[in-house]
Amino acid sequence: NAGVTQTPKFRVLKTGQSMTLLCAQDMNHEYMYWYRQDPGMGLRLIHYSVGEGTTAKGEVPDGYNVSRLKKQNFLLGLESAAPSQTSVYFCASSYVGLHTEAFFGQGTRLTVV
Amino acid sequence: GQQVMQIPQYQHVQEGEDFTTYCNSSTTLSNIQWYKQRPGGHPVFLIQLVKSGEVKKQKRLTFQFGEAKKNSSLHITATQTTDVGTYFCAGRGTFQGAQKLVFGQGTRLTINP
Repeated sequence: NAGVTQTPKFRVLKTGQSMTLLCAQDMNHEYMYWYRQDPGMGLRLIHYSVGEGTTAKGEVPDGYNVSRLKKQNFLLGLESAAPSQTSVYFCASSYVGLHTEAFFGQGTRLTVV
Repeated sequence: GQQVMQIPQYQHVQEGEDFTTYCNSSTTLSNIQWYKQRPGGHPVFLIQLVKSGEVKKQKRLTFQFGEAKKNSSLHITATQTTDVGTYFCAGRGTFQGAQKLVFGQGTRLTINP
């Protein structure tokens, strides 16, 4: 049982390049989330999804797009990377409902130069 | 929108001293969750509080949820080196806001053995 798996674990991009971060979960969770973690800023919600085919904006959505074509996968895209997007990105998932805990992936460390 | 503030940002203690971190939300929460992130790791769920005024204990850790369901605290008695890490609170709002899990900035705890 792998839980939540993020791909890749590390990446260096040049400014203006694009990339997609993949999150896969095998727990049949309905909810999935993308967060970014920066020093002193905690975990900030980028986008989230409450089910296959649905996505919604979080606190810091600008510069990112997401897709949830399959229930088990949640993709985060950067169309034109900027140095301000240098961060550690975490994906998380949870069952539907108010009182459900989130399970996190191992994180992706992204550097934009 | 829903905001969750957490203080202090950093705390350094001597081993054996107590530690407390505080969490405040701008809106009423359905629940408050606490997570721990070890250095270099990912956030891991510790506990969830749901009821107004609720208090829960896990060994040396005591968690409280305020009467108005807008604030919470985590208190560690007699810290040990294994307690090192960043502690996050996270809250779900009510109604539509319940779909989002919003995190505080985290409190990074370091311990002098």
